[in-house]
Amino acid sequence: AQSVTQPDIHITVSEGASLELRCNYSYGATPYLFWYVQSPGQGLQLLLKYFSGDTLVQGIKGFEAEFKRSQSSFNLRKPSVHWSDAAEYFCAVSADGGYQKVTFGIGTKLQVIP
Amino acid sequence: KAGVTQTPRYLIKTRGQQVTLSCSPISGHRSVSWYQQTPGQGLQFLFEYFSETQRNKGNFPGRFSGRQFSNSRSEMNVSTLELGDSALYLCASSFLDSRNTGELFFGEGSRLTVL
Repeated sequence: AQSVTQPDIHITVSEGASLELRCNYSYGATPYLFWYVQSPGQGLQLLLKYFSGDTLVQGIKGFEAEFKRSQSSFNLRKPSVHWSDAAEYFCAVSADGGYQKVTFGIGTKLQVIP
Repeated sequence: KAGVTQTPRYLIKTRGQQVTLSCSPISGHRSVSWYQQTPGQGLQFLFEYFSETQRNKGNFPGRFSGRQFSNSRSEMNVSTLELGDSALYLCASSFLDSRNTGELFFGEGSRLTVL
């Protein structure tokens, strides 16, 4: 069965600093990987996704993520964090691009300090 | 284009009661998934419906059920509520045809409090 691990429950960064959120997945074949963001009181919004091809994918709001098969990882990065990036971030995996159920990680809550 | 609409947004029930939550997907989306979100547990998959048929089901007791109507609107029901059912219930819709991009479109959720 597929699974997702987000080892950091809570991360605090200073505004303007770089950010990396970790995600490790467990799935036998090539997974379909996603990062979603949830602002307080709202639903989740897709930041980016990886299906195949270039292992570095660009998303909205200046985020990017890199798929590393050898490490079973799909870490999310941003070079310079803005206060508006404070939110909860979820990594997710699907067996078949959404045709199978999407499994989410536990989430990483990002706090941005001035 | 209207997003995913969930009603009610907030509700309070007592133990033993039952509750029905509603989800209207984005127009044209025929797949609806339900998730339970609790602190420390993240999003737990409940079930997914496509064309009025349950395609996938998570590991929840039989007290949790759902259905989908011909217009793709979906409802989920929880019977005999327990304190542990307090959570944010999220609905997500998507294409599940040639237009599918894998993206789930989420509503803002229904926050259930069980007293």
